[in-house]
Amino acid sequence: GAVVSQHPSRVICKSGTSVKIECRSLDFQATTMFWYRQFPKQSLMLMATSNEGSKATYEQGVEKDKFLINHASLTLSTLTVTSAHPEDSSFYICSARGLRGAQETQYFGPGTRLLVL
Amino acid sequence: QKEVEQNSGPLSVPEGAIASLNCTYSDRVSQSFFWYRQYSGKSPELIMSIYSNGDKEDGRFTAQLNKASQYVSLLIRDSQPSDSATYLCAALATNAGKSTFGDGTTLTVKP
Repeated sequence: GAVVSQHPSRVICKSGTSVKIECRSLDFQATTMFWYRQFPKQSLMLMATSNEGSKATYEQGVEKDKFLINHASLTLSTLTVTSAHPEDSSFYICSARGLRGAQETQYFGPGTRLLVL
Repeated sequence: QKEVEQNSGPLSVPEGAIASLNCTYSDRVSQSFFWYRQYSGKSPELIMSIYSNGDKEDGRFTAQLNKASQYVSLLIRDSQPSDSATYLCAALATNAGKSTFGDGTTLTVKP
C-alpha cells in the first residue's frame, strides 16, 4: 500500500489564487521532506528540503515567498503555491525520508497535477 | 561532474532478456542507495534499496553495490514490456542530509 500520500491529486484553479498541497507519510516518521516539480519529459527538479520544525531550504531560483512550505509534524508537510499563474502549472511531487524499520529510506507521494488557467 | 551519473539511454532490450542499468556516484559519504521506477506521467516508485556491498535480490530485480568503485547497478531478469519506464538511481548520505538523484535511464522492453 501507499507509504506517502498526497492530496489533492489534481487541481485546476484560476490565475491569482493560492493552492495548498498536503503530503503525509503514512507509516513512518519523515524527518525530512522534499518537494519536487516535474515538467513533461523532463527530470525531477528539487524545489526545497524541509526538516520537521525548521524552515525549508529552497533551491536556487525557487521563490520562497511564492512556494510556502510548512513541515509542522513528522508526518505532514504542505506546499502552498501563492498567487498561482499559468507558468506554475506542473506536476508537484513530495518525497518523505526517514527510518522505516531499521533502515533509512525515501518514498515519493503520488504527485499533484496543477493546472492554472 | 554530476554527483550521481546514469546513462540516459534509451536502453532497449527484447522481452525476456536481462536489462542492466548502471549508476556511479561521486560522494564517498553516501551510505544508502535506491532504485526508483517512474512510468510516464506518474511519480517515482521505490523498487530496490541497498545499503551494503554485494548483491540484493528481490524477485526479478537484483541490485549490486560496490562502494570501492562507487558503483550501483540494477539488473532486471526476464524483462517484460511493463518494465518499460525511466529508472532513477539515488544516493543518500544521512549525516550530510543529502539525497542525490541521477537524471534517469529510460528502458524500453520490446515484445
